[in-house]
Amino acid sequence: GENVEQHPSTLSVQEGDSAVIKCTYSDSASNYFPWYKQELGKRPQLIIDIRSNVGEKKDQRIAVTLNKTAKHFSLHITETQPEDSAVYFCAASRTYGNKLVFGAGTILRVKS
Amino acid sequence: GAVVSQHPSRVICKSGTSVKIECRSLDFQATTMFWYRQFPKKSLMLMATSNEGSKATYEQGVEKDKFLINHASLTLSTLTVTSAHPEDSSFYICSAPPGGDSSTGYTFGSGTRLTVV
Repeated sequence: GENVEQHPSTLSVQEGDSAVIKCTYSDSASNYFPWYKQELGKRPQLIIDIRSNVGEKKDQRIAVTLNKTAKHFSLHITETQPEDSAVYFCAASRTYGNKLVFGAGTILRVKS
Repeated sequence: GAVVSQHPSRVICKSGTSVKIECRSLDFQATTMFWYRQFPKKSLMLMATSNEGSKATYEQGVEKDKFLINHASLTLSTLTVTSAHPEDSSFYICSAPPGGDSSTGYTFGSGTRLTVV
């Protein structure tokens, strides 16, 4: 089955700097890759997603890139703010609507 | 947008008792529901997929007799932790897949914090 690896496990950045989180997946048939932000004790919130027919997607300060050949995708957050501090999870699915397999998560700390 | 209501949000139970967690889709029909558990500071691990009108599909290593999943209607899926033990203490969360218009994304319940004492 699908295996998703996520790095780093923790990331500390200074406010205003950029943050990059990387994930690799094992199932070449996967074609949907969302990123979630989760605050302690809360439900995950979708922040951006990408499908396999697209290489990059951007939404204001957040962008996701996908390299299907290498089977990895990355989350880029620019101009980080203290409120960006949370746990971020990547996930992969064979099709949009199918079960999601999550990465281990990255604790992002933005220091002001 | 789509909402999945999950109850209870927190529950404390004694070892050996059973606990039922409910997830209701409030304004849409969910023929499928994914059930995850999450240990502190860990990832969401898929336990099983429930399907309305048929048996749930369990992930490898998940005890189907211990974690009973039922999808009784198009708006209700339940997870019952039977004969709970302290090691079952965890955060359980359900998720419905995107709807037909594909614009809502996956809808997560608010989660249930289970503590077994």
